[in-house]
Amino acid sequence: EAQVTQNPRYLITVTGKKLTVTCSQNMNHEYMSWYRQDPGLGLRQIYYSMNVEVTDKGDVPEGYKVSRKEKRNFPLILESPSPNQTSLYFCASRGQALGGETQYFGPGTRLLVL
Amino acid sequence: AQSVTQPDIHITVSEGASLELRCNYSYGATPYLFWYVQSPGQGLQLLLKYFSGDTLVQGIKGFEAEFKRSQSSFNLRKPSVHWSDAAEYFCAEDLNQAGTALIFGKGTTLSVSS
Repeated sequence: EAQVTQNPRYLITVTGKKLTVTCSQNMNHEYMSWYRQDPGLGLRQIYYSMNVEVTDKGDVPEGYKVSRKEKRNFPLILESPSPNQTSLYFCASRGQALGGETQYFGPGTRLLVL
Repeated sequence: AQSVTQPDIHITVSEGASLELRCNYSYGATPYLFWYVQSPGQGLQLLLKYFSGDTLVQGIKGFEAEFKRSQSSFNLRKPSVHWSDAAEYFCAEDLNQAGTALIFGKGTTLSVSS
């Protein structure tokens, strides 16, 4: 089954404790991205990757890092999480659907930073 | 700045009644437009898309949307709402028509009353 997976699905941590949210896709997509979703703000792009070893900032990259060492994985790293990073995070990869390019979304990771 | 606007934050519809969710885009003479649905605790699922051609597009779950260039709108409709349609709905536009620059509206939450 074609899918984007994220782990963990739920995470509670404390300020300053480094964490990584993993994202993996099995569709051999080149493009992957991370979004955060906050009430009243919709989805905002954090980082994206056009291919292996090619990453770039989205709209809200501050406080985040990413890496793309292999095509299927695109982890999101919070080196020193802060409470304002409490959010719902979605990973996505781009591929063909309904006659055009579109993005497939993972199930989301809900993060609480205390 | 480019934006996607969903004027209604929350809509309540009776089960069996018709539904229309509004969306206005601001960029592009030939926009790439999408509607996604997010059920509680779930990721985003693509309902339908408009890239070109027929301005009335059909999607999954009985949804359709109509692209109106003169009004810069891409409203989502369903003739008869089911309780399972209760969810948050996001309109999005792909700014570079390559699936890599999605901007989302802030979402409309749909409640269905019995």
